[in-house]
Formats: sequence, structure tokens, C-alpha cells
Amino acid sequence: NAGVTQTPKFQVLKTGQSMTLQCAQDMNHNSMYWYRQDPGMGLRLIYYSASEGTTDKGEVPNGYNVSRLNKREFSLRLESAAPSQTSVYFCASSFQRSYEQYFGPGTRLTVT
Amino acid sequence: GQQVMQIPQYQHVQEGEDFTTYCNSSTTLSNIQWYKQRPGGHPVFLIQLVKSGEVKKQKRLTFQFGEAKKNSSLHITATQTTDVGTYFCAGLGFGNEKLTFGTGTRLTIIP
Repeated sequence: NAGVTQTPKFQVLKTGQSMTLQCAQDMNHNSMYWYRQDPGMGLRLIYYSASEGTTDKGEVPNGYNVSRLNKREFSLRLESAAPSQTSVYFCASSFQRSYEQYFGPGTRLTVT
Repeated sequence: GQQVMQIPQYQHVQEGEDFTTYCNSSTTLSNIQWYKQRPGGHPVFLIQLVKSGEVKKQKRLTFQFGEAKKNSSLHITATQTTDVGTYFCAGLGFGNEKLTFGTGTRLTIIP
């Protein structure tokens, strides 16, 4: 089992460009999450999907959109990238919301 | 909203010394989880505590959940270089199932 996979690993964007971060899990988990990690800020929840077909805003959703494509896949889209979105992005999944989370390897995004 | 604070932010210890990080929540928690993130890596789940006053051990790591279920601690005995990384607590709120991560404690070991 691959666990949680993310693509790409690294990305550099210019301000105003758009991109989609992909995430997939093969653990048959119901819940999936997108976090961003900035120095000294810990992990902040952007969006989550408690189950297939549902998505909800987290702590810092502005500037992002998500799609729960099916039970396995949960993508994060930046429509118009801004330098403030420079960060490391982690996707995670869990069996249910109260259970432990399994994280992907992360995407390091730089917006210039 | 629910806030989870962790102290200290950084800790440098000599190899073989003990290490403790503390986690405090602004609200009572349903459970608390601990994660470890190695430099350049991703968070990895360590343990979950559910009961008031619960203490769990994993080899040299001891985890405690406070009686009021608002605070927790992680203690490492006789640190080793493999313990290097950032330790995060994450508190699950009652009813909302919202997991809030603390800001983490970065542990570095001086050989």
C-alpha cells in the first residue's frame, strides 16, 4: 500500500497563475484533509472532506477550492496564486474524523 | 474558537538528557493526539489519549492527558539522535470533531 500520495512534490508559480494539487489514498479512509504548514504556525486546516461527496471549510480556506473526486482522491486548487500562499501543503486522510490521520509527503509551493 | 498552544517552541538538549513538551487547550477536549515530524518529512501519528488522567508509554516516550482534559504532555527519557524532529499535539473538540494542531515543539539534540 502506498498510503497517501501527493503530486507534485515541488512547484514554483508566478503570482496570478493557477494550479491543482493532487492527493490520493489507498487505505479506504472516509475523511480527507488539506493543511498548510508555515514556519512557527504549525498545521492549519484549509479544507476537509468528512466523507465522499462532502467538503467543508477549515481555518484558512480563502484563495482555495477543493474537489472530492471519489473516495480515494481529494484535490486542492489555487485559482490565482499569491505570494502569501507560499507554503508546504500536506494532504491527510483518516478512517473517520476522530481517528488518527495519515499524511502524505507534502508539496512545497513557492509563489513569486 | 478552539486554540491549542504548545510550549516550548524550541528545545535543545544534550544527548541523554530528558525532554518534555506541554500542550494546553482553550477548551475541553474529546481526545488528544500526538504526532512527530522529522526534518523535511511529514507528520507521523504517535498516539491518542482519550481518558481523563490517562498515561501511556511507548519505550522512552511517556504521554499524559490531564484530569480536566485540557492539557497534555510528552516526556522523552534519555534522548537519542533519532528523537530529533518537531512534536505536535492535536486536540479533538467535543461534538464538532474538529482536530486542532498545536504549533509544535522542535527538538534538536546536541551529540
